[in-house]
Amino acid sequence: GIQVEQSPPDLILQEGANSTLRCNFSDSVNNLQWFHQNPWGQLINLFYIPSGTKQNGRLSATTVATERYSLLYISSSQTTDSGVYFCAVYTGGFKTIFGAGTRLFVKA
Amino acid sequence: DSGVTQTPKHLITATGQRVTLRCSPRSGDLSVYWYQQSLDQGLQFLIQYYNGEERAKGNILERFSAQQFPDLHSELNLSSLELGDSALYFCASSLEGGGPGDTQYFGPGTRLTVL
Repeated sequence: GIQVEQSPPDLILQEGANSTLRCNFSDSVNNLQWFHQNPWGQLINLFYIPSGTKQNGRLSATTVATERYSLLYISSSQTTDSGVYFCAVYTGGFKTIFGAGTRLFVKA
Repeated sequence: DSGVTQTPKHLITATGQRVTLRCSPRSGDLSVYWYQQSLDQGLQFLIQYYNGEERAKGNILERFSAQQFPDLHSELNLSSLELGDSALYFCASSLEGGGPGDTQYFGPGTRLTVL
């Protein structure tokens, strides 16, 4: 089956720093989403981005489907950005596969 | 608030028991998805229903079953519970059947503890 790998697994940032999170996938996908799981466990939809680039405030994402990767950029990080960031891909069989996540901690 | 509701928020039960988790999708969404998040397995897709019918099946155990009712709410039934079933169970919903362009929105989850 399709493999989804996220890097880095853990990231510690000083408040105000920028970061790039990566999601690699091993086969063609129909959809790709980025989620943030906050410290209370809630999964929050960040981007639906099967291809191209999107921006929402300090966050932006780029997916290069032909090269099978997606990047999530966080600029001017804040303590509220802490949590786990997941990418999820949807295959032709309508199955959703999550990566293992990147755990981010932003220090004040 | 995603618009997806799940009840109960927390559930504590004993091994061998059976529980039912409930999910109400966002207004207008036809698909409901169930996921399990555990420390050792991460986030795993269990099953999807679209407009009342099973659409896709993932890593769902035979002891688990689900259904989607005519009003589109869904229930996940877990039986003969084992310690390893302790996890956070998420429900998500989407407008269509899960193809390209169909964004999933997640509920707050039900935390199940099996003692």
